[in-house]
Amino acid sequence: DAGVTQSPTHLIKTRGQQVTLRCSPISGHKSVSWYQQVLGQGPQFIFQYYEKEERGRGNFPDRFSARQFPNYSSELNVNALLLGDSALYLCASSYLYEQYFGPGTRLTVT
Amino acid sequence: AQTVTQSQPEMSVQEAETVTLSCTYDTSESDYYLFWYKQPPSRQMILVIRQEAYKQQNATENRFSVNFQKAAKSFSLKISDSQLGDAAMYFCAYRSAGNTDKLIFGTGTRLQVFP
Repeated sequence: DAGVTQSPTHLIKTRGQQVTLRCSPISGHKSVSWYQQVLGQGPQFIFQYYEKEERGRGNFPDRFSARQFPNYSSELNVNALLLGDSALYLCASSYLYEQYFGPGTRLTVT
Repeated sequence: AQTVTQSQPEMSVQEAETVTLSCTYDTSESDYYLFWYKQPPSRQMILVIRQEAYKQQNATENRFSVNFQKAAKSFSLKISDSQLGDAAMYFCAYRSAGNTDKLIFGTGTRLQVFP
């Protein structure tokens, strides 16, 4: 079975632009969570979606938004990019209480 | 709010030896889950081992085992017979038992394995 997949792998954007990151969960997993990992730190929780509804939100500004589709895939959108948004964005899908992570999208804002 | 602390930024071990990574956490909850994740340079976060707080028995997965001390809020990871492939960042993480998947991570410990 395929694991969690994310696209794109790498992305370079300019300050002020908008970006959309995509995630496909493991087949059968209905919950998707997003994390931001700044270099040298542990991941920080951004959102959780379950059955297309938001179940949790971390301490991130409204420039960050997400949604989940009927097939349980998810998109993370970030508007008005700042240099500080440069990070590895991880998606995880869960079964029961275990989360399985994708390879991440490396976002660089210049 | 829950917090997770990893006080060892870096650790090193000789191949075939044993190493222990430390993790402490703070919570007022009685039911929760604890995890150790491994993140190699490839970036993929890999689940190493989990512990349910209601279980007194320490979890074990092959060469990996934990020492879970609930009263002390301590959750260390022991890696036995270390292999070169164990070199990675190791993150300790906390999850409430409630209706959320939110993981709270520590800052990580970089493990180097020397031949």
